[in-house]
This record gives sequence, structure tokens and C-alpha cells, in this order.
Amino acid sequence: ELKVEQNPLFLSMQEGKNYTIYCNYSTTSDRLYWYRQDPGKSLESLFVLLSNGAVKQEGRLMASLDTKARLSTLHITAAVHDLSATYFCAVTRLYYGGATNKLIFGTGTLLAVQP
Amino acid sequence: SQTIHQWPATLVQPVGSPLSLECTVEGTSNPNLYWYRQAAGRGLQLLFYSVGIGQISSEVPQNLSASRPQDRQFILSSKKLLLSDSGFYLCAWSRNSNQPQHFGDGTRLSIL
Repeated sequence: ELKVEQNPLFLSMQEGKNYTIYCNYSTTSDRLYWYRQDPGKSLESLFVLLSNGAVKQEGRLMASLDTKARLSTLHITAAVHDLSATYFCAVTRLYYGGATNKLIFGTGTLLAVQP
Repeated sequence: SQTIHQWPATLVQPVGSPLSLECTVEGTSNPNLYWYRQAAGRGLQLLFYSVGIGQISSEVPQNLSASRPQDRQFILSSKKLLLSDSGFYLCAWSRNSNQPQHFGDGTRLSIL
């Protein structure tokens, strides 16, 4: 069974400092996604990581993937208040001949940026 | 561009009542469609997915069912709601298995 764990579950950040969220998964996966969820809102796709060593950056967020370690990181550079949200990683496992990707979500990490 | 619509946004229902949540996608054809549930303060759990009209796969045994009567329409139903059915229900679509899933705005369901 594919399991996805994130840590920390909650992160209180100071503006201007750097932080990292970790996402571990239990079995081989084809791809990894990062999503953002604002309180009471839906999920917004941030990154799709498709291969070992993949790195993607958007603004102050950078995501990387190590498929050998089954680990993805989401790095926040110089945190700002606008980044306060819950961040989920999700892993998919394609079934041979399958036509869909079933996402298994992590527990989520609640980020709160303090002034 | 593609858009996904879910309704209603909020729903309060008594225990034992029926349920019908609707999701439609515009701007694409033959999408993969998904229903997720998010319990308060928790991650998302995949409930159903569909790769085509009339094709539904269930991920967890539960009090809910799904149907896809048209290419871009996905419906989540229940004949009798339980208290444990409360949660935030999200519909999502993807173009294919290589593309990310895009989520609707969700329906917040409260069972009294």
C-alpha cells in the first residue's frame, strides 16, 4: 500500500527566513505533485515532478524529487505572509495499462508566516 | 481554457436524507474525473474515479456512489446520509494520466 507522509505537520515561519517541508512515500511512484490549499478553499496545483533529480521553482518556492530516497522537498525562500496556507504533496502510481493517475495525498503541512 | 464547476458550495442535510453533488467540466473532452473527500484538518481521500462515460471505479467501501451520465458530468450520490459523511467534497479532472489534476471549489457538507 502506498503511503505518503509529510513533516512537519505545522510550521510557524518568520518572514524573511528559509524553511523546508519534507514528503516521504513508501513505494515506487511515477510522479509527485505539490498542491496549495488556502483555508476553506480548493487545491491549487504548484508543481509536478516527473523524474529523479527534478527541480522546479516558482517564485519563493522550489520543489525537488529524489526517487531513490522516495523523498520530495518543498523549500521556501525568504518567507512572506502570502505563503501562509496548507501544502500537500501527492504521489501517483500508474497501473500497467492504466489510463488514470490515482493520487495518494500526504497529511498536509500548515504553514503560518509570522511578521 | 478548461473550467470545472461544483455545486452546491455548501449543504446542510439531516441524517438519512439523500445526496446529490454535481460536477461538470468545460473546455475539454473525455477527461479523467475524480471525487475526493477531505475530513476537517485532514488530507484528501480518493473516493471514485472515472475514465469514461459509465465507467466508475470505487476506492473505498462506503455509503456513497458515483455516476458519469455524460462525458463531462460526474455525480456523487447517497441514498441515506450518515453523520460520518460530513466533510469537504472535491471534484477534480485531468486530461490524462500524465497531467496534474485540477480541482473544483468544493462542496462543504454538514450532516445534522
